[in-house]
Amino acid sequence: AQTVTQSQPEMSVQEAETVTLSCTYDTSENNYYLFWYKQPPSRQMILVIRQEAYKQQNATENRFSVNFQKAAKSFSLKISDSQLGDTAMYFCVIEGGGSQGNLIFGKGTKLSVKP
Amino acid sequence: GAVVSQHPSRVICKSGTSVKIECRSLDFQATTMFWYRQFPKQSLMLMATSNEGSKATYEQGVEKDKFLINHASLTLSTLTVTSAHPEDSSFYICSARGDWQQETQYFGPGTRLLVL
Repeated sequence: AQTVTQSQPEMSVQEAETVTLSCTYDTSENNYYLFWYKQPPSRQMILVIRQEAYKQQNATENRFSVNFQKAAKSFSLKISDSQLGDTAMYFCVIEGGGSQGNLIFGKGTKLSVKP
Repeated sequence: GAVVSQHPSRVICKSGTSVKIECRSLDFQATTMFWYRQFPKQSLMLMATSNEGSKATYEQGVEKDKFLINHASLTLSTLTVTSAHPEDSSFYICSARGDWQQETQYFGPGTRLLVL
């Protein structure tokens, strides 16, 4: 069974600074995908970044980047130049293939960006 | 691109009535749609997976007769909560997956259901 662990229930960061959210996972699959989704107060789930496990290069999307350590099964998210609009719940997610391709969610990290 | 809508955004109903929630992929064809339930301050719990034209696959513990799912077209899936009770009150979210990035799901804005 696949599992995702986010050990930081809540974090805060000052506006314009950098913050890193941690995530570890477990899977027996060789090919899989990892995601970070954010859920702001509006509760709309938004895709932040995706990483294909067979790619060694870390994914980046503007101010968001990941540190993907496949051997350690670690997938952290770095947010640079934090903005007030980054305040949200962040979920680390794994997709493990199979015919249905279900997503397994971590419990989330609540990030507050302070002015 | 990859926009998913849900309707209604919130609904209040009396105990014993049925409620239908629609999930639409607006700019792509969704071969697979997913229905989740989210309790306050918790993560998403997958309820069922539906493929167009076939029966939905329900997760363990989810009553298929209570949560009816229909995926009649490549852009529409519906979730009907039958004979709703107060314990069914929750936030329901759908997601859709297209053909071009089959591992990525795009989420609707969610529906808040309150059963009185």
